[in-house]
Amino acid sequence: AQTVTQSQPEMSVQEAETVTLSCTYDTSESDYYLFWYKQPPSRQMILVIRQEAYKQQNATENRFSVNFQKAAKSFSLKISDSQLGDAAMYFCAYRSDNAGNMLTFGGGTRLMVKP
Amino acid sequence: DTAVSQTPKYLVTQMGNDKSIKCEQNLGHDTMYWYKQDSKKFLKIMFSYNNKELIINETVPNRFSPKSPDKAHLNLHINSLELGDSAVYFCASSQVAPGRSYTFGSGTRLTVV
Repeated sequence: AQTVTQSQPEMSVQEAETVTLSCTYDTSESDYYLFWYKQPPSRQMILVIRQEAYKQQNATENRFSVNFQKAAKSFSLKISDSQLGDAAMYFCAYRSDNAGNMLTFGGGTRLMVKP
Repeated sequence: DTAVSQTPKYLVTQMGNDKSIKCEQNLGHDTMYWYKQDSKKFLKIMFSYNNKELIINETVPNRFSPKSPDKAHLNLHINSLELGDSAVYFCASSQVAPGRSYTFGSGTRLTVV
C-alpha cells in the first residue's frame, strides 16, 4: 500500500519570505500523480498544485512550485512571497491508477505566516 | 454553481442516534468518495463509488452505510452513533480518468455527545 509522509507538523514563515514543505511517499508503481491541497480554517480542501510522475519538469502555479525527485520519492512544495492568506493546513497526496483511484493523504503540515 | 455540496455542515447528536449526511455533485464526475478527518486532521478514505457501484470499502464499522441512488449523489448513513464517530466527514468527486484531482465538499462536522 502507498504511504505518504509529511515530517513537519508545523512550519512558520515571515510574510513575503519563502517556505518549503516536505513530503515523501512510498510506492512500487511507476505511474502516479502527486498533489498538494490547502485546507484553510474554513475547512474547504483546495487543490494547490498537481504533478504527473512521468514528467520531469516540476509543476508551477504562480507563487507555488514543487521539487519532484522521483528516485528519492520526494515531493516538496515551495511557497514564494508568502502571504497571510497562505496560512493553512497543507496536505500532500498520492493517486495511482490502481487501488480504485484512491487519493492517499499525508498527515498534513500546519503553516503559520507571521506579519 | 458547479460544486460538490454536502448537507448539513454541522451535526450535533446524542450517542445511539442514527443520522445521515447528503452529498451531491453537478460536475458530471463518475466517482464519488467519503473521507473522514479526525481530530488530528488525518484524512482517511472510507468509501468510493463509481457509477453507483461500490469500489472501495475500507475498514469501516458496519454502522456506516453509503448509498448512491445515482452517480451524482452519495449519501452516508450512520447507525447507533458513538463518541468516536465525532469527526469531519468530507464528500469528494472526480473523474476516474488517470491523474484527475478530487473536488471536495465543504465537510460536515459531526459531534456526538
